[in-house]
Order: sequence, then C-alpha cells, then structure tokens
Amino acid sequence: GQSLEQPSEVTAVEGAIVQINCTYQTSGFYGLSWYQQHDGGAPTFLSYNALDGLEETGRFSSFLSRSDSYGYLLLQELQMKDSASYFCAVPYSGGYQKVTFGTGTKLQVIP
Amino acid sequence: DADVTQTPRNRITKTGKRIMLECSQTKGHDRMYWYRQDPGLGLRLIYYSFDVKDINKGEISDGYSVSRQAQAKFSLSLESAIPNQTALYFCATSDSTGAPEQYFGPGTRLTVT
Repeated sequence: GQSLEQPSEVTAVEGAIVQINCTYQTSGFYGLSWYQQHDGGAPTFLSYNALDGLEETGRFSSFLSRSDSYGYLLLQELQMKDSASYFCAVPYSGGYQKVTFGTGTKLQVIP
Repeated sequence: DADVTQTPRNRITKTGKRIMLECSQTKGHDRMYWYRQDPGLGLRLIYYSFDVKDINKGEISDGYSVSRQAQAKFSLSLESAIPNQTALYFCATSDSTGAPEQYFGPGTRLTVT
C-alpha cells in the first residue's frame, strides 16, 4: 500500500523560510510531487522529484532522499499569498500517473 | 477560458437521489481522473480513465460510477446519494507522455442532506 505523512499545520512569518516535510511508504517508487491548494481552490502542481537532490523553481525548492523515503518543500521569502495547503503525492506502484496524495499541510503566513 | 471545467460548481441534493457531476477539458489529454476531498483526508482517487475505452476503479469507488463520453468528457455519477458522500469533488487530467503533472478543475461542492 501507499502512505504519506505530513505535518497538519505550519505557521511562519512573512519574509522567512519554511520547510514542509513528507515521509512516504510505497511498494515501488517513481517520484514525489508537490501541489498547492488555496482555500476553496483547485490543487496546482508545483514540482516533481524523481531523483535524489534539490530542484529549484523560483522561491520554491523541493528535495528528495529516496534512501530515507523522505522529501520536503522549501518556500523562501514567504509572502502572504503563500498561505495555502501543500500536498505531497506519490504514484501508485505500477501506475506512473495514478497518485496517492498526503493529507496536506496547512501553511499560515503571518505578518 | 479554463482548461478543465466542472459542472455544477455547487449542488445540494437529498439522500437517495441520483446525481451526475460533469467534467470537460480542452487540454487534449487522454487521461482523466475523479477525486474526492474531505477535510483532513486529502484527495482520494475515485475513478480514472487513461483513454476513452479504459475505465478503472480507484481507492474509493463504491457508490460511484463513471462514463467517458469522449476524450474531453468524463462524468461521475452517484446512483443513490448518501450523506457521507458530502464532499468536494475534483476532476483532473494529465497527458500520456508520462509527465507527472495533473491539471485540476475548479471542483464541485456536493452536499447530500
């Protein structure tokens, strides 16, 4: 089976850096994705890591360690608009695009 | 215009009623998905379709059925709605190249009373 674990809530100050962790258990691993969802909105894709290491896209970076079954999303220079829920997701074993989502981390950015 | 659209956006229905949620996409993707989102439970896959002739159950398909009318259209039906099907429903698409990104519609908020 598939399971992912994320913190349920994180609070950080505007302008600061925050890290959202995700640990996973899967039978077969293809990669780790991250999605952002604002309240009442649709999830939107942020990043994908298939290999170990850090992937950077602007203020957001995502890291993967396959040996530790662990990844994180790093948000720098936090802005109020970054307040949202963030979900990690892993593909099903044997199904590259069929994914299991974590339960999400609600990030609150405060002034 | 939005690439993935869902209708209706909000629906209140009574227990035992049949209801259909519709999804259309203009992205030209072969792969389409229906998810359900409940507070604290994240997104859970109900059904998915990798092309018009391919329909597969996800992790929580009981009480739901789907129809893939065309490449661009994928409908979700609740044959006899029950209150614990009250949730936010999302349709999503992805292309067939293997890229991991899924594109989500705006969601349908369904309440079963």
